[in-house]
Amino acid sequence: QVQLQESGPGLVKPSQTLSLTCTVSGVSISSGSYYWSWIRQPAGKGLEWLGLIYTSGNTNYNPSLKSRVTISVDTSRNQFSLKLSSVTAADTALYYCARDLIDWGQGTLVTVSS
Amino acid sequence: DIVMTQTPLSSAVSLGQPASISCRSSQSLVHSDGNTYLSWLQQRPGQPPRLLIYNISNRFSGVPDRFSGSGAGTDFTLKISRVDAEDVGVYYCMQAAQFLTFGGGTKVEIK
Repeated sequence: QVQLQESGPGLVKPSQTLSLTCTVSGVSISSGSYYWSWIRQPAGKGLEWLGLIYTSGNTNYNPSLKSRVTISVDTSRNQFSLKLSSVTAADTALYYCARDLIDWGQGTLVTVSS
Repeated sequence: DIVMTQTPLSSAVSLGQPASISCRSSQSLVHSDGNTYLSWLQQRPGQPPRLLIYNISNRFSGVPDRFSGSGAGTDFTLKISRVDAEDVGVYYCMQAAQFLTFGGGTKVEIK
């Protein structure tokens, strides 16, 4: 059974970089032909895809956020990570990680505030 | 960018009655590989989304057969043949033909 768990600071100051990690269990992040995504959801609103990384290491990012988003993989820890730079209050949301949009974490709430 | 537009925004349905959700994309979702990457996800209250349907009409493992998807090109539909209490939540269409984009969501509740 594949499980994903998001972790990271729940509070980030404006203009700083948001950093989250997704720890994967039940499957090796470096095996198979999967893609590993980050998606966010502001309170009471819809879903926004941020980007993904393939098992190959190739990445795709949401064009509207591309200049601020970086997704990377740490195969030794079976984790993948999200960095979102220059955050504002508009980046306050529940952040999810997912495998192929089939297996999802429970989400972690990140608030941007001074 | 491909924009996904869902209608209606919300739908109140009596138990056992059918429900239908429409999704329209701003461009064709037919990929160069011949597949049409249109999926439907369900998000129950307080839960992460769950994949229901992929590639227009393929039910994901464990999804009840009362859920069905149809459509082609730019127009797609999710149908629930007989709404059950556990179907309450928000439904999203999603395209993966060009990056990933979600529709705005349709809230389904029991009348």
